[in-house]
Amino acid sequence: QKEVEQNSGPLSVPEGAIASLNCTYSDRGSQSFFWYRQYSGKSPELIMFIYSNGDKEDGRFTAQLNKASQYVSLLIRDSQPSDSATYLCAVNMFYNTGKLIFGQGTTLQVKP
Amino acid sequence: NAGVTQTPKFQVLKTGQSMTLQCAQDMNHNSMYWYRQDPGMGLRLIYYSASEGTTDKGEVPNGYNVSRLNKREFSLRLESAAPSQTSVYFCASSEVEAGGKDTQYFGPGTRLTVL
Repeated sequence: QKEVEQNSGPLSVPEGAIASLNCTYSDRGSQSFFWYRQYSGKSPELIMFIYSNGDKEDGRFTAQLNKASQYVSLLIRDSQPSDSATYLCAVNMFYNTGKLIFGQGTTLQVKP
Repeated sequence: NAGVTQTPKFQVLKTGQSMTLQCAQDMNHNSMYWYRQDPGMGLRLIYYSASEGTTDKGEVPNGYNVSRLNKREFSLRLESAAPSQTSVYFCASSEVEAGGKDTQYFGPGTRLTVL
């Protein structure tokens, strides 16, 4: 059974703090990893993509991948109230296809 | 450039009724997907189409059928709706970019209620 696990939260952080979201996955052969943000009542949108071990930074967002431990994380620095959303971790576990397995999502609340 | 469009936005069905959810994309993507999203469950793949003329089952295909009509359009059909199919349905499309990145672009969703 291919699985992606996230803590559903809610994760509550004060404005300006670092939010840390975590995700674990079951398939050691997984190739690529995605973080999607979903505002309430809206569709998901891609915010980060990572495929090699280590860190990848894009503005206030940093994705961290550790394939040996089978986890991927998302750090949001200087959190803003507009970052309040559900963050979905997705993993490509199917070689040479675009199929993704999504986690259940972590709800982030940034309090002013 | 509308991206991914879905119709209808909302639908209420009675148990046993049938309906087709429509999806179209104007980004010339080869791959298209149908997902359902239930509270606390994330997104679950129903069906996937890697290219025109091909379809493949996802995690939860039972009770659904799909048609990849052409490169632009991918429809999802419920032949005999059941209350367990009450959900929000998202269509997505993607194309592999440089570096193996395969970004999925999502439509606005269809909120379906089966009574």
